[in-house]
Amino acid sequence: GENVEQHPSTLSVQEGDSAVIKCTYSDSASNYFPWYKQELGKRPQLIIDIRSNVGEKKDQRIAVTLNKTAKHFSLHITETQPEDSAVYFCAFGTTDSWGKLQFGAGTQVVVTP
Amino acid sequence: DGGITQSPKYLFRKEGQNVTLSCEQNLNHDAMYWYRQDPGQGLRLIYYSQIVNDFQKGDIAEGYSVSREKKESFPLTVTSAQKNPTAFYLCASSIPGQGREQYFGPGTRLTVT
Repeated sequence: GENVEQHPSTLSVQEGDSAVIKCTYSDSASNYFPWYKQELGKRPQLIIDIRSNVGEKKDQRIAVTLNKTAKHFSLHITETQPEDSAVYFCAFGTTDSWGKLQFGAGTQVVVTP
Repeated sequence: DGGITQSPKYLFRKEGQNVTLSCEQNLNHDAMYWYRQDPGQGLRLIYYSQIVNDFQKGDIAEGYSVSREKKESFPLTVTSAQKNPTAFYLCASSIPGQGREQYFGPGTRLTVT
């Protein structure tokens, strides 16, 4: 079935540095790629998403890039702050149904002051 | 914050007992989803529903059952047939269709001993 691989599983960065998380997916027909952030003890929340008709999208300090040929997409967080510490999940929208998402295993990001 | 609620937050059951987890939303969303979250495994889809009185199995439906009698409610029953039921369960809802943000509830942590 469809799956997505997410790397790294943990990422420790110094405050102010950049963080990059990469996901590789299997379904070449996928066209929707969201990223969710889950802070400790809280619910996952959408932070940014990208559709297959664009290669990059940016929202303040976060950006997502998509390479459809290589079937991978990445989350970039610049100028990291302690409040960026959380688990980040990539996902992709499958094409066999309406709204189903396949999630990656998650990346635990720790930003140290 | 409102929108989508789950109760209870913590649930304890003895092995062999069925247990039902509640999920309610007032977002007027047609689509609802149940996920299971285990450490290091991301979010895995148990069941989803696109409309009232209709639901589909996700990737790990064995040992679970659902109903969708009302648009606002999508309860999940963890049956005694589920071999490893201890987990964190998340409910979500969205407008149906590809590329729609999923809104998550706060989750229920189920412990079965």
